Amino acid sequence: AQSVTQLDSQVPVFEEAPVELRCNYSSSVSVYLFWYVQYPNQGLQLLLKYLSGSTLVKGINGFEAEFNKSQTSFHLRKPSVHISDTAEYFCAVMNSGGYQKVTFGIGTKLQVIP
Amino acid sequence: NAGVTQTPKFQVLKTGQSMTLQCAQDMNHEYMSWYRQDPGMGLRLIHYSVGAGITDQGEVPNGYNVSRSTTEDFPLRLLSAAPSQTSVYFCASSSGRNNSPLHFGNGTRLTVT
Repeated sequence: AQSVTQLDSQVPVFEEAPVELRCNYSSSVSVYLFWYVQYPNQGLQLLLKYLSGSTLVKGINGFEAEFNKSQTSFHLRKPSVHISDTAEYFCAVMNSGGYQKVTFGIGTKLQVIP
Repeated sequence: NAGVTQTPKFQVLKTGQSMTLQCAQDMNHEYMSWYRQDPGMGLRLIHYSVGAGITDQGEVPNGYNVSRSTTEDFPLRLLSAAPSQTSVYFCASSSGRNNSPLHFGNGTRLTVT
């Protein structure tokens, strides 16, 4: 079994300030990790993914995430947020050992304040 | 390139009615799945399919049926709608390889009164 914990349900941040959205996971086997973004009234879009190799992965819109195996974390960061980053962000884990099943966290709503 | 298309976008049902949520993808993806999204609960997997003719249950399958007669289509059927099925439903697909991300439709917002 695998699980994902997003530690903050809502994160307010001022425009141009840095932000970190936290994600921890648990799994008994190797996993792949993803961050998705959901804008209002839309489906989820892939922001970035960690498959293997470098633990720092860069995604679209200036976001990046760092995989930390010892802490089982995959936190999402952006050095300077924009109003357009206001959205809900989902961390997800996929089991690498079998058929593709993805487990999502409950989501973090990022509100960028002008 | 349409990607994943869901219809309808909105639907209101009365308790006990049945309906089918449609999902189609044009990317020749083997894997398709249905999620429901509820406030504070994130996305929960209802059913998924790893190819035509093959389906399996996810985390919350009760009250829903699926079938996969073609690679492109993966409809979700509500046999007897209940207020607890009020939710936003998302269909997603991927190539099925372990490192491939999911592609999502824009969702169907269902209200059961």
